Amino acid sequence: NAGVTQTPKFQVLKTGQSMTLQCAQDMNHNSMYWYRQDPGMGLRLIYYSASEGTTDKGEVPNGYNVSRLNKREFSLRLESAAPSQTSVYFCAGGTGEYSPLHFGNGTRLTVT
Amino acid sequence: EDQVTQSPEALRLQEGESSSLNCSYTVSGLRGLFWYRQDPGKGPEFLFTLYSAGEEKEKERLKATLTKKESFLHITAPKPEDSATYLCAVRSYGNNRLAFGKGNQVVVIP
Repeated sequence: NAGVTQTPKFQVLKTGQSMTLQCAQDMNHNSMYWYRQDPGMGLRLIYYSASEGTTDKGEVPNGYNVSRLNKREFSLRLESAAPSQTSVYFCAGGTGEYSPLHFGNGTRLTVT
Repeated sequence: EDQVTQSPEALRLQEGESSSLNCSYTVSGLRGLFWYRQDPGKGPEFLFTLYSAGEEKEKERLKATLTKKESFLHITAPKPEDSATYLCAVRSYGNNRLAFGKGNQVVVIP
């Protein structure tokens, strides 16, 4: 039982390059989330998907797009990376309105 | 807007020296308060959920309590393996998201 799996674990991009962060879960979560974590800022929500086929913006959506490919997979795309997007990105899933979120181990992204 | 403030930001404890972490929150209606533990290089790991004032949950040396304005995470007789960052988060009614505090970084010295 893998839980929430993120790929890649590490990535270095140059300014202007694009990439997609992948997230897959095998915990039957209805909701999935993308957060970023920066020193001194805590975890901030980028986008989330309350159910398959729906997506909504969080606190910091600018510069990102998402796709809920199916119930298991939720990807985050950076179309034109900027140094301000250097961060650790976490994917999470949840089952119900009273349930906690379960996180993956993150993707560490550096944009030079 | 849901807000979470955690204090202290950082805490150094001697092994065996009990202490408490504070999580103050502001929500329009609390659906749940969540505590997580995060180790360096890892994702947050779920510890507890608290739903209503007066509720308490325990796990090994950790005990979480909840009032209408704040939650405490009590660490009793900590060991070095309790060193981690502890995150507090809230979910309000009508909201799918969790709002997180910035965390309490705890170091337990042998």
